[in-house]
Amino acid sequence: GESVGLHLPTLSVQEGDNSIINCAYSNSASDYFIWYKQESGKGPQFIIDIRSNMDKRQGQRVTVLLNKTVKHLSLQIAATQPGDSAVYFCAGPSGNQFYFGTGTSLTVIP
Amino acid sequence: ETGVTQTPRHLVMGMTNKKSLKCEQHLGHNAMYWYKQSAKKPLELMFVYSLEERVENNSVPSRFSPECPNSSHLFLHLHTLQPEDSALYLCASSQVGGEEEKLFFGSGTQLSVL
Repeated sequence: GESVGLHLPTLSVQEGDNSIINCAYSNSASDYFIWYKQESGKGPQFIIDIRSNMDKRQGQRVTVLLNKTVKHLSLQIAATQPGDSAVYFCAGPSGNQFYFGTGTSLTVIP
Repeated sequence: ETGVTQTPRHLVMGMTNKKSLKCEQHLGHNAMYWYKQSAKKPLELMFVYSLEERVENNSVPSRFSPECPNSSHLFLHLHTLQPEDSALYLCASSQVGGEEEKLFFGSGTQLSVL
C-alpha cells in the first residue's frame, strides 16, 4: 500500500542552527506534498507545500526540497527558534484522502 | 479564531455514555474530514464528506457515527466506546477540485474513555 513516513522520530537542535527534517514516500505517482507543524494542544498547521514539477520551494525561513528519484522530501528550517519546537508531518494525497507520516518531534535547545 | 472550530476541546466519557463532537468550518470548503490521532501513530482517516456526501469510511467501528448536515458542519456521534478509543479527534476541511488541496485542521477534541 501507499505510505508516507519520516526518518527520525525526534530531533534536537541548538537555537539559531538550521534544522532538516526528512520524509520518504512510496507512491511514485504522488504529485503533491505538504508539511504540517503540530504544537502541543493544537491541530496540525500548514507550513508549506510543493508539487512534483518543482524540486524546491521556499517560504519564510522554511525550504522544502523534493527528490523524485529517491522519493524523498525534506523540510529545512533556517535559524531555528524556540517557537519552532513541535511535531512536523509530511503528507501526500491519494484519492479522497491524505497519507501522513508518524511525525518528527523537533526540540529547540536554548 | 482558526478557520475550523471544534467543540468540546476535552471530553471524558464512560463506556455507556453517548456524546457528540462538533466541527464547523468558516472557509467555504466543500469537503470535511474526521481523523483520529493516537500516540506514536500516523493520523488515521475515519470519514470524508465531499459535497455533504460520505465518500470515505475507513472501516471505522459502528460506535462512531458521522453526520454532515451541510458543508460547514460535521458531527461525530459516539456511543458505547472502548478505552482504546481514547485519542485526539481532529476535524479538517479542504476545497476538493480547487487549486489548493491542502487540509485545514481544527484544534481537536481530546477524548478519554473510562
